[in-house]
Amino acid sequence: AQRVTQPEKLLSVFKGAPVELKCNYSYSGSPELFWYVQYSRQRLQLLLRHISRESIKGFTADLNKGETSFHLKKPFAQEEDSAMYYCAPPNRLAFGKGNQVVVIP
Amino acid sequence: NAGVTQTPKFRVLKTGQSMTLLCAQDMNHEYMYWYRQDPGMGLRLIHYSVGEGTTAKGEVPDGYNVSRLKKQNFLLGLESAAPSQTSVYFCASSYVLAGGKNIQYFGAGTRLSVL
Repeated sequence: AQRVTQPEKLLSVFKGAPVELKCNYSYSGSPELFWYVQYSRQRLQLLLRHISRESIKGFTADLNKGETSFHLKKPFAQEEDSAMYYCAPPNRLAFGKGNQVVVIP
Repeated sequence: NAGVTQTPKFRVLKTGQSMTLLCAQDMNHEYMYWYRQDPGMGLRLIHYSVGEGTTAKGEVPDGYNVSRLKKQNFLLGLESAAPSQTSVYFCASSYVLAGGKNIQYFGAGTRLSVL
C-alpha cells in the first residue's frame, strides 16, 4: 500500500529560520511524491513534485530512498509560508495528516 | 477555465437531514475525489472515481454515497447527517501523467455543520 506519514503536526519557526517538514513513505515500486500546500482559507494546491527537482517558493524536497523519506526544506522561512503542508503519495489515495507551519515574525 | 467548483460553500444541517454536495470540473479529468478535512486528522479520502459511471470507497466511506453520472460532475450525498460529519469537504480532480502518477486540482471546499 502507498502510505505516507508526517511525524509532526505543528511546527513553529521564527522568520528567517530554516524549516524542514518530514515525510516518510512506504511504497512498493518507484516512488514519486508530491507536496501540497494549503494557505489560510484557500484550496490545496500543488507545491512541488520531487521528480521536477526544482525550487518552488524557496522550497526543495529530496527523495532519500535509503531512508524512505521526502522531506520538504526551506533555508529561510517567511511569514507567507504559514500554511498546512501535505505530503502525498503518487496515487493520491492516502495523504499524510499534514503539518501546520506557523512562521513567527 | 473555472477549474474545480464546489457548491454550496457553507451549509448547516440538523441531525437526520439529507443533502448533496456538488463538485464540477471543466478540465476533462478522468479522476475525481471527495475528502474531508478535520483538525488533527488531515485529509481523509471518502470516495473516489476513476471515470464516468464508476466509484470506489476510500478510507472513510460510511455515511456517504457518491455518483458520477457525468464525467464533469461528482456528487457526494449524506442521507442522514450526523454531528460526526461536521467537517470541511474538498473535492479534487486529476488527470493521469505518464506512469500512473497524477496531479490533483482541488475545489475551494464546503464547510458543513451538523447540529
